[in-house]
Amino acid sequence: KQEVTQIPAALSVPEGENLVLNCSFTDSAIYNLQWFRQDPGKGLTSLLLIQSSQREQTSGRLNASLDKSSGRSTLYIAASQPGDSATYLCAVRNAGNNRKLIWGLGTSLAVNP
Amino acid sequence: NAGVTQTPKFRILKIGQSMTLQCTQDMNHNYMYWYRQDPGMGLKLIYYSVGAGITDKGEVPNGYNVSRSTTEDFPLRLELAAPSQTSVYFCASSTPSGGFLNEQFFGPGTRLTVL
Repeated sequence: KQEVTQIPAALSVPEGENLVLNCSFTDSAIYNLQWFRQDPGKGLTSLLLIQSSQREQTSGRLNASLDKSSGRSTLYIAASQPGDSATYLCAVRNAGNNRKLIWGLGTSLAVNP
Repeated sequence: NAGVTQTPKFRILKIGQSMTLQCTQDMNHNYMYWYRQDPGMGLKLIYYSVGAGITDKGEVPNGYNVSRSTTEDFPLRLELAAPSQTSVYFCASSTPSGGFLNEQFFGPGTRLTVL
């Protein structure tokens, strides 16, 4: 059974720091992995999606990497800003049953001015 | 495109009442999903649909019902509301795998309280 874990559960950094959020999964047979952002009291916004055949995806200051064999993905945020404060969730779509996403519990990020 | 829209945004129900959470998407997506999100528990899949007329149970379907009469709409029905159904409900949609990236798009959520 696929399980997704995100570490750390919470992170507080000063503005301007580069930071890494981690996501691990137990079954490497995935179809893709998706990173989301959730602001308090709001819905989820898709940030990056990495297909199983890809190693990384970039969007602006965000870079997501995928290492299927070790069951890991990282979300790298460069030059963090207070506006980056949110909860970051990763979700995996399995290769066998790719109709559903398996979710981590998220990392709550606070970027302090 | 409006994307995925949900109504209402907030609702308070009394125990035993019924209600329908509405979800509509205008992206012509085949797949649609209902999740609930509870503090510290992450997102749990309630029901999903791979196309009009086809629905299937997720992880936590008890106490809920869905229908999918059109591609655009995927309403979630609570028949006898219970305090355990107090949660934030999210609707999402995506394209089937193979043709596109299968990226999932979310609505803004409905915050439901059952007292």
